[in-house]
Amino acid sequence: DGGITQSPKYLFRKEGQNVTLSCEQNLNHDAMYWYRQDPGQGLRLIYYSQIVNDFQKGDIAEGYSVSREKKESFPLTVTSAQKNPTAFYLCASTRSGGNTIYFGEGSWLTVV
Amino acid sequence: KQEVTQIPAALSVPEGENLVLNCSFTDSAIYNLQWFRQDPGKGLTSLLLIQSSQREQTSGRLNASLDKSSGRSTLYIAASQPGDSATYLCAVLNAGGTSYGKLTFGQGTILTVHP
Repeated sequence: DGGITQSPKYLFRKEGQNVTLSCEQNLNHDAMYWYRQDPGQGLRLIYYSQIVNDFQKGDIAEGYSVSREKKESFPLTVTSAQKNPTAFYLCASTRSGGNTIYFGEGSWLTVV
Repeated sequence: KQEVTQIPAALSVPEGENLVLNCSFTDSAIYNLQWFRQDPGKGLTSLLLIQSSQREQTSGRLNASLDKSSGRSTLYIAASQPGDSATYLCAVLNAGGTSYGKLTFGQGTILTVHP
């Protein structure tokens, strides 16, 4: 079935470490997005990419980095510069010109 | 900067009740508004999307209305069921952008429907 796969579901990071969250889609969508959700809060946009080899910062990009080398993949790296990384991270995608947005099942990141 | 607010933050109702969730936004220059459902620890599922030129959308027991000029939307759930228990999120897409997934979200309403 078509969809968005995020991995891992749960990830623990030690202070000072970089970690990478994976997002893969087989929907043939052009655009992909990373959102962060804190408990009891709505989603905030971290980065988005509308085409391969191009991406833009969202509202809270500091301490994060992304790449878009393949259409189906949009990994997010949470760097040690992100001071409060513990959150639920959601990846999403849309097709070019399409209104419908599809979300993955999310990844929980906890700093230990 | 667009801000989206949802009221109430949480709602608990007995099964069978009709209920209304509220969403307000500060900038009326929107392209569309969506309502999403989120189950605990899961991703989001789109329920209804209302274009800026529309007044409402319906899907089954759900009805969403949009009053763009006043910056308000409501989600009406008829004959609520325990399976409706979830967090409901409202999100707007600002006009003028080129990315359809660049949404501004409210903080959500946690709905509990008890038998």
